[in-house]
Amino acid sequence: DAKTTQPNSMESNEEEPVHLPCNHSTISGTDYIHWYRQLPSQGPEYVIHGLTSNVNNRMASLAIAEDRKSSTLILHRATLRDAAVYYCILRDPSGAGSYQLTFGKGTKLSVIP
Amino acid sequence: GAVVSQHPSRVICKSGTSVKIECRSLDFQATTMFWYRQFPKQSLMLMATSNEGSKATYEQGVEKDKFLINHASLTLSTLTVTSAHPEDSSFYICSARGGGMTYEQYFGPGTRLTVT
Repeated sequence: DAKTTQPNSMESNEEEPVHLPCNHSTISGTDYIHWYRQLPSQGPEYVIHGLTSNVNNRMASLAIAEDRKSSTLILHRATLRDAAVYYCILRDPSGAGSYQLTFGKGTKLSVIP
Repeated sequence: GAVVSQHPSRVICKSGTSVKIECRSLDFQATTMFWYRQFPKQSLMLMATSNEGSKATYEQGVEKDKFLINHASLTLSTLTVTSAHPEDSSFYICSARGGGMTYEQYFGPGTRLTVT
């Protein structure tokens, strides 16, 4: 499986934008980039996913580099509720075991009031 | 989004006993369910994948005779930890996807197991 690299932790002030980076230099052409987040003592929740183009939804935006070797999850205005561990995961929907999600260590985001 | 529930949310059991954790998809039919385990300050580790009506596929290093998984219906999967020991204490999380879902996978809230 292609691996991702994320910073262990990041801090943000409340109400400010947050840019969470993810490197995936060995990404294959069929890998989708998924982001999930896990609030303390809860199961993960889906945030966003994309293949090549930048994506927006009500939770966040996903900016994907032109060479697809990195991506950035953007939270436009961080709130205290956004404090969580954010996971960047590559998934190939066409491969064997394609529905499995392999979680790395993620980035622990702290939001400062 | 779709809802996945787990029961119980936390359980304490004595060493040597068995405990069953239920995972239910509340508003969709889950053709595939996944069971994860998460130790403190660590990431989620996939334990097994189960398709409705089939035997579960276990990840390497996960004892299938110790962690019994049953996915007998499209809305329910159970994980039974048999002869539990303190080292089995962990946060167990299930997730589910429905037929036709290409990328969506919905997670339960998790079950905190403590073995004394």
